Amino acid sequence: GENVEQHPSTLSVQEGDSAVIKCTYSDSASNYFPWYKQELGKRPQLIIDIRSNVGEKKDQRIAVTLNKTAKHFSLHITETQPEDSAVYFCAALRVGANNLFFGTGTRLTVIP
Amino acid sequence: DAGITQSPRHKVTETGTPVTLRCHQTENHRYMYWYRQDPGHGLRLIHYSYGVKDTDKGEVSDGYSVSRSKTEDFLLTLESATSSQTSVYFCAIATGTSNNEQFFGPGTRLTVL
Repeated sequence: GENVEQHPSTLSVQEGDSAVIKCTYSDSASNYFPWYKQELGKRPQLIIDIRSNVGEKKDQRIAVTLNKTAKHFSLHITETQPEDSAVYFCAALRVGANNLFFGTGTRLTVIP
Repeated sequence: DAGITQSPRHKVTETGTPVTLRCHQTENHRYMYWYRQDPGHGLRLIHYSYGVKDTDKGEVSDGYSVSRSKTEDFLLTLESATSSQTSVYFCAIATGTSNNEQFFGPGTRLTVL
């Protein structure tokens, strides 16, 4: 099956700085890559996703980039705010297989 | 919240007892999933369903069974709970044009003593 690795496991940034979280995947057939944000005690929430026919996608302060050749994708958060503090998970899916494989998460702390 | 509820939200049980967790959705989604979340492991798929009475195993299915007798309900059963099944369990539904986008329920925290 798919193996998704996520780095770093923890990340602290000053408010207003950028944060980058990176993931690699093993299955070259994977073609859908969502990112989830999970606040303490809450459910994971889908914040952005990208499909393999696109190299980059932006939504306000968050963006995701995908390098299919290298099999890695990244989440970029600009102008971080304290409410961005949470655990972020990347995932990969081979369309048609219906199995999402998750990374182990990155705990982001934004220091005011 | 994609119309997903889970019950119970918290449960404490003893080793060897059967446990059933319920996921209920109100929006007629075809695909439903059960995940467990443990520190250091992220979320791992237990079982999923692609229709009434249609289910399949995920990567950590040992010790779990599921049933889906109607579209809105997906049940997860631990036939004989073990301490290793202490976890937070999330149900999810899939939506979108290719049923890729998954949205999660509020979770059930299960403790097996």
